[in-house]
Amino acid sequence: DVKVTQSSRYLVKRTGEKVFLECVQDMDHENMFWYRQDPGLGLRLIYFSYDVKMKEKGDIPEGYSVSREKKERFSLILESASTNQTSMYLCASSGGSSGNTIYFGEGSWLTVV
Amino acid sequence: AQSVTQPDIHITVSEGASLELRCNYSYGATPYLFWYVQSPGQGLQLLLKYFSGDTLVQGIKGFEAEFKRSQSSFNLRKPSVHWSDAAEYFCAVARYSSASKIIFGSGTRLSIRP
Repeated sequence: DVKVTQSSRYLVKRTGEKVFLECVQDMDHENMFWYRQDPGLGLRLIYFSYDVKMKEKGDIPEGYSVSREKKERFSLILESASTNQTSMYLCASSGGSSGNTIYFGEGSWLTVV
Repeated sequence: AQSVTQPDIHITVSEGASLELRCNYSYGATPYLFWYVQSPGQGLQLLLKYFSGDTLVQGIKGFEAEFKRSQSSFNLRKPSVHWSDAAEYFCAVARYSSASKIIFGSGTRLSIRP
């Protein structure tokens, strides 16, 4: 089975802090994603990476950056956290023999106070 | 442009009753279609997917979905729901050629009446 692991399930950070959300997948997938999920707004794509060191902006990249130094790892960075970034963050991956099927991690709940 | 519509925001069904969750999509060619389920506080789990071939696809947990090209629909069904099926369900559509272009519906929350 595909496993997408998000290292932190629950985080509480202060406004202005730099926040790192880490994600690792074990299926050698070339594609990795960060989504944000908010009530009533569904899933919104923040960033997408299709290869090591390659990235594309999604629908809501403002206030976020990403890093993909190794194929299995995709990090989401909030340079200066703000309260409107309080949300559930979902990492996902796809590719290889899985094709276009996206597999999700368990999610990271971030609260910015 | 691709789009996915889940017209029902919230559905309540009695335990043991049948279930149908609606999904309509807009896409010019044959799409890749998915249903995901999300339990409270968890990530999304793939229930089933349609790429080609038989238009009735079977998934996990006793779910099935039928692709109807003429109606641009991909409705999810289950003959008898269990209390553990209470969750949020998301329909999604993707283009074959682009892994990043997967569009999710806004979700349908399913409640189960004892």
